[in-house]
Amino acid sequence: NAGVTQTPKFRVLKTGQSMTLLCAQDMNHEYMYWYRQDPGMGLRLIHYSVGEGTTAKGEVPDGYNVSRLKKQNFLLGLESAAPSQTSVYFCASSLTSGLTYEQYFGPGTRLTVT
Amino acid sequence: AQSVTQLGSHVSVSEGALVLLRCNYSSSVPPYLFWYVQYPNQGLQLLLKYTSAATLVKGINGFEAEFKKSETSFHLTKPSAHMSDAAEYFCAIVMNTGFQKLVFGTGTRLLVSP
Repeated sequence: NAGVTQTPKFRVLKTGQSMTLLCAQDMNHEYMYWYRQDPGMGLRLIHYSVGEGTTAKGEVPDGYNVSRLKKQNFLLGLESAAPSQTSVYFCASSLTSGLTYEQYFGPGTRLTVT
Repeated sequence: AQSVTQLGSHVSVSEGALVLLRCNYSSSVPPYLFWYVQYPNQGLQLLLKYTSAATLVKGINGFEAEFKKSETSFHLTKPSAHMSDAAEYFCAIVMNTGFQKLVFGTGTRLLVSP
């Protein structure tokens, strides 16, 4: 079991460039999440998905798009990167959203936008 | 809405000393609370969770947390710190607004000196 994996681990973009971050999980989880982590702000939810073909906005969705075409994959896209999107991005997955659930996290992608 | 507050962005202890990381919550309904740990350059890993079964919750690596409703607290403790405990620790609460999702505190970095 690889758990939750993220690709790439590091990336540097110029302002205005686009990119896609890939998250994959092999635990057959229904729910998947994208967070960003910034110093002193903890983790903030960008978008999430409750199943294949579904997506929803989280706390800070502006400037990002997502897709969940396959149950095991959750893609995060930046159409026109801005310096404010410099952050560490984490993907997570969980079996359900029930009150005793646990989210499993990937190792993160460190993105710098210059 | 549910929220958590972590007091102290940095906590320094000596190896062998007591570790105490503070988390206070705000919730109008019985809360479900989590502690996660993030080691350098890694994703988040679940330490322990409170789901109302018992007020004293034991987690991995010798950590435990006690739920105190009267103090709206869920502080994390470990009797004797190890160098390997140096990491960032996040308290989180389940937010019950339709889709149940985690809301994280801002994190506390634990520094352990020899």
